[in-house]
Amino acid sequence: RKEVEQDPGPFNVPEGATVAFNCTYSNSASQSFFWYRQDCRKEPKLLMSVYSSGNEDGRFTAQLNRASQYISLLIRDSKLSDSATYLCVVRSGNTPLVFGKGTRLSVIA
Amino acid sequence: NAGVTQTPKFQVLKTGQSMTLQCAQDMNHNSMYWYRQDPGMGLRLIYYSASEGTTDKGEVPNGYNVSRLNKREFSLRLESAAPSQTSVYFCASRGIPGNTIYFGEGSWLTVV
Repeated sequence: RKEVEQDPGPFNVPEGATVAFNCTYSNSASQSFFWYRQDCRKEPKLLMSVYSSGNEDGRFTAQLNRASQYISLLIRDSKLSDSATYLCVVRSGNTPLVFGKGTRLSVIA
Repeated sequence: NAGVTQTPKFQVLKTGQSMTLQCAQDMNHNSMYWYRQDPGMGLRLIYYSASEGTTDKGEVPNGYNVSRLNKREFSLRLESAAPSQTSVYFCASRGIPGNTIYFGEGSWLTVV
């Protein structure tokens, strides 16, 4: 089993839709969790950290389920500008971050 | 506010040639990383440096060497380039453990 697994998509959704991505991780000792966003031919950039209690940033909500070892990202009221690849990222202790392969989202007008 | 700067942005090499990718950060970060990204493979760690003077292998180190020249700079060297090393290379840095990682804009390398 890979350390971090994501559905590669693509997810094609209309503007205004709600879309959710899930990510599973294999190391139960993982401590830090993030969602990164990567636009085509650009570098990944931090979208949001994921906290145990769940957290929200505008239209974006992240959840962590330690018992089932997955994290999720919910995007409400999708915009065209949300089209990108979303990377799930996990860290255990002081080891380097482990990246999922990403889920591609296309928001269609 | 430069952040992480890597050069060159684009490079074409012939098989067997050598080259060095340069990376510098101005955020006083301790940890620096080199990743490669290939279609369908995601980001894979080549080498990292947890602090000045230390380097460690990542997931795919074969064919590469690194140098942590000082706290700011972390270079990646291909001694004898192979077509399998055609990829996009990202340098990254991170400050306090647990904090976010910042990426450079990427270096597109083609080996023919």
